[in-house]
Amino acid sequence: QVRLVQSGAEVKKPGASVTVSCKGSEYTFTSYDINWVRQATGQRLEWMGWMNPNSGDTVYAQKFQGRVTMTRDTSISMAYMELRSLKSEDTAVYYCVRASRSEIRRRWFDPWGQGTLVTVSS
Amino acid sequence: QSVLTQPPSVSAAPGQKVTISCSGSSSNIGNNYVSWYQHLPGTAPKLLIYENNKRPSGIPDRFSASKSGTSATLDITGLQTGDEADYYCGTCLSAGWVFGGGTKLTVL
Repeated sequence: QVRLVQSGAEVKKPGASVTVSCKGSEYTFTSYDINWVRQATGQRLEWMGWMNPNSGDTVYAQKFQGRVTMTRDTSISMAYMELRSLKSEDTAVYYCVRASRSEIRRRWFDPWGQGTLVTVSS
Repeated sequence: QSVLTQPPSVSAAPGQKVTISCSGSSSNIGNNYVSWYQHLPGTAPKLLIYENNKRPSGIPDRFSASKSGTSATLDITGLQTGDEADYYCGTCLSAGWVFGGGTKLTVL
C-alpha cells in the first residue's frame, strides 16, 4: 500500500526555521512528484510547491518563494520541506502528498501524509 | 482568497443530494482537469474525484462530478452523517496548483 509518513509535531519561535520530513514507501519514490500543502486553523488548503524527486527540480508558490526549500534524499525515499523566518501565521498542519504521474494539467494528489502540526509561538 | 470559488457551506438532510460548485476561469479550470478532495476533521485529505469525473477505487458511486467550461461540480447523493466534512476542488495553474476555498458540508 502506497504510503507517506511524516515527522512529528514541532514548536518553533518566530524567526526560526522548521524542517518537515516525508517518507514514501511501497512505490518508486523517484517516479512521482511530491507536493507540500498546508492548512492553518479554520483556513483553506494552501499549495506550497512541488518537487521532482528524480531531478530535484522544484516549483514553489509565489507566496513562499525565498522562504521555502524542498529537497530529497532518494537513498531513503525521503522528502523534506524547510520553511524559514517563521511567523505566527505559519502555524498550520503541513501535509506532503504524492502527485499522479500524468501530465501536469491532468494531475491529482494521492495519497496524503498524515500531517505535521507546526506551531509558531514566542 | 482563492482563484477557485466554492460556496462556504452547504447542508442537506440524510438521504438527500447536495451539489458543491467550483468556479474558475480559462486560466485554471477552463484548460485543465479538476480533482476533488474530502477533508474530515483531524485526518488527512482524501482524493474523491480525479480528471474531472473519475472515482478512485473505494470511492462509492454516491460521489460524482462534472466539469463544464470554467466550472466544476461535485454531487453527493444519499447523504450520510459520515459525509460531514470540508470539500475542496483543485486544479493546475501555469505556475503550479490551486485549491478552492473549501465547502463545509453539514448533514442535518
